[in-house]
Amino acid sequence: DAKTTQPPSMDCAEGRAANLPCNHSTISGNEYVYWYRQIHSQGPQYIIHGLKNNETNEMASLIITEDRKSSTLILPHATLRDTAVYYCIVRVEGNQFYFGTGTSLTVIP
Amino acid sequence: GAVVSQHPSRVICKSGTSVKIECRSLDFQATTMFWYRQFPKQSLMLMATSNEGSKATYEQGVEKDKFLINHASLTLSTLTVTSAHPEDSSFYICSARDLGGRNEKLFFGSGTQLSVL
Repeated sequence: DAKTTQPPSMDCAEGRAANLPCNHSTISGNEYVYWYRQIHSQGPQYIIHGLKNNETNEMASLIITEDRKSSTLILPHATLRDTAVYYCIVRVEGNQFYFGTGTSLTVIP
Repeated sequence: GAVVSQHPSRVICKSGTSVKIECRSLDFQATTMFWYRQFPKQSLMLMATSNEGSKATYEQGVEKDKFLINHASLTLSTLTVTSAHPEDSSFYICSARDLGGRNEKLFFGSGTQLSVL
């Protein structure tokens, strides 16, 4: 599975959109982009995933560039409860999930 | 989403004892479960893939005799840390793959904090 690169930390003001980038320049055509988050001392929580098209659900939006070499997770209106470590994972369907170092997002009141 | 239950949430044991951690998929059948460990301020590290009815597959560097995995049913996998030592103290997290729907997702338990004295 392709490797991912994420900034180690980001801040976001409460109520504003949080845009978390992920670089996956070596992604192959059959690899999906997944996003999970982990709040301190809990198991990771699934957020969203996609292959080529942009995706939206009740939690977030996933924007994947046309060349698929990078993506952005958007939390439209960040709240204090969104403070967590966010992991971007690229994998082929059927393979294991390997976690990188993630982005520690702090939502500031 | 699918629910994965992990028990216990916290355990403290003496060095040399064995500790069993249970992972259950509550509302779906999981032919495959995964076990991770996480040290403070670090990412999750995949330890092993647990397959129902067969032997687990361990990641490189993970001692299979140290971390015994049993996946006897479609809803239960257990991880036993044998002869635990202080360096085994860590946060252990299980997960199960939900194959329902168009694509597969991984759902996680709430984790077990193991402290070995």
